[in-house]
Amino acid sequence: RKEVEQDPGPFNVPEGATVAFNCTYSNSASQSFFWYRQDCRKEPKLLMSVYSSGNEDGRFTAQLNRASQYISLLIRDSKLSDSATYLCVDNTNAGKSTFGDGTTLTVKP
Amino acid sequence: GAGVSQSPSNKVTEKGKDVELRCDPISGHTALYWYRQSLGQGLEFLIYFQGNSAPDKSGLPSDRFSAERTGGSVSTLTIQRTQQEDSAVYLCASSPDGPRHEQFFGPGTRLTVL
Repeated sequence: RKEVEQDPGPFNVPEGATVAFNCTYSNSASQSFFWYRQDCRKEPKLLMSVYSSGNEDGRFTAQLNRASQYISLLIRDSKLSDSATYLCVDNTNAGKSTFGDGTTLTVKP
Repeated sequence: GAGVSQSPSNKVTEKGKDVELRCDPISGHTALYWYRQSLGQGLEFLIYFQGNSAPDKSGLPSDRFSAERTGGSVSTLTIQRTQQEDSAVYLCASSPDGPRHEQFFGPGTRLTVL
């Protein structure tokens, strides 16, 4: 089993839709997570941190479920510009960040 | 301010040749990471430098891969006797103070081994 697993998708949704991605992790002691966004043939860029109490940034909401060992990303009112690959990362272990393989989202007009 | 820079942006080499990839982190960032990303795949951790501590080399796939970081700043990733399976994008990232902080990525070096 991979340490961090994501549904690769692709998720194809219409503009304005709400879409959610989950990311499961295997290390029950993990505490630090992030969501990154990666556009085609570009480097990853931080989208948001994931706080244990859940956090929101505009149309984006991140949540951590420790009992079930997964984090989630919810995108409301999807825009065409949200089309990208979304990577979750377990950043807990000293130095060795573990990235998921990413979930691809395509938002269509 | 300047972000993470990497050079070259593209490298085409022949199988068996050695290559050096360079990373200039953001000034003042103590942590530096190297990753490899094959087409359509996620990021594969290679190596991590934090300040003056010994690097975490646990992700290096073979002894053909090595990296160093001089003066706590610039880093070089060296691949000896390149193989076709080494073809990938090599990404460098830096962060202000190790894990639990945002990593800032460079644009990557796309390596093609013929």
